[in-house]
Amino acid sequence: GAGVSQSPRYKVAKRGQDVALRCDPISGHVSLFWYQQALGQGPEFLTYFQNEAQLDKSGLPSDRFFAERPEGSVSTLKIQRTQQEDSAVYLCASSHRLNTEAFFGQGTRLTVV
Amino acid sequence: GQQLNQSPQSMFIQEGEDVSMNCTSSSIFNTWLWYKQDPGEGPVLLIALYKAGELTSNGRLTAQFGITRKDSFLNISASIPSDVGIYFCAGRRDSNYQLIWGAGTKLIIKP
Repeated sequence: GAGVSQSPRYKVAKRGQDVALRCDPISGHVSLFWYQQALGQGPEFLTYFQNEAQLDKSGLPSDRFFAERPEGSVSTLKIQRTQQEDSAVYLCASSHRLNTEAFFGQGTRLTVV
Repeated sequence: GQQLNQSPQSMFIQEGEDVSMNCTSSSIFNTWLWYKQDPGEGPVLLIALYKAGELTSNGRLTAQFGITRKDSFLNISASIPSDVGIYFCAGRRDSNYQLIWGAGTKLIIKP
């Protein structure tokens, strides 16, 4: 596709369940970002990849959050033992290279019940 | 987490009116960006500003990078119904690729 694609669009998880959120960046984009957006707030940085290397994971809120991009393309954000406070929209963005502006996907809305 | 101070939080305007919103920070940024987010969608970049004092237009939208590097402004002239949505400012320091975001300004056009 032409844009950043995220799946699923919506996910409802029971508390304690593990979830995996997928991001397909724009083809050829080197940089990939994950953001968390709580209701009524702006996005907050979670982690950054350059190709397959995770260069910054300082925004991940706990060790229950894990992200990977093994082949430098598709990325997965995994949340283990989900909690209610994990409910948010998770946005993925990609850019051609660092310091060029990124394009965002539509996001995955996670609701933990 | 850290966020920029964005105001107003929401605006109720008549179609055809001009709109102004701003974003401030206690620290310096080297890039200011303005995004629009529609319900169920990701943010879409409207205007990017890279130099203090810079004034940039995109159609009816005009944004300025404050001379102090601690603020930015977005103006929308002659608003139309499709301008409805949430507008976000975001700042970046060159030494850090992370974007710091405001909490958004929700624009509502009164019928």
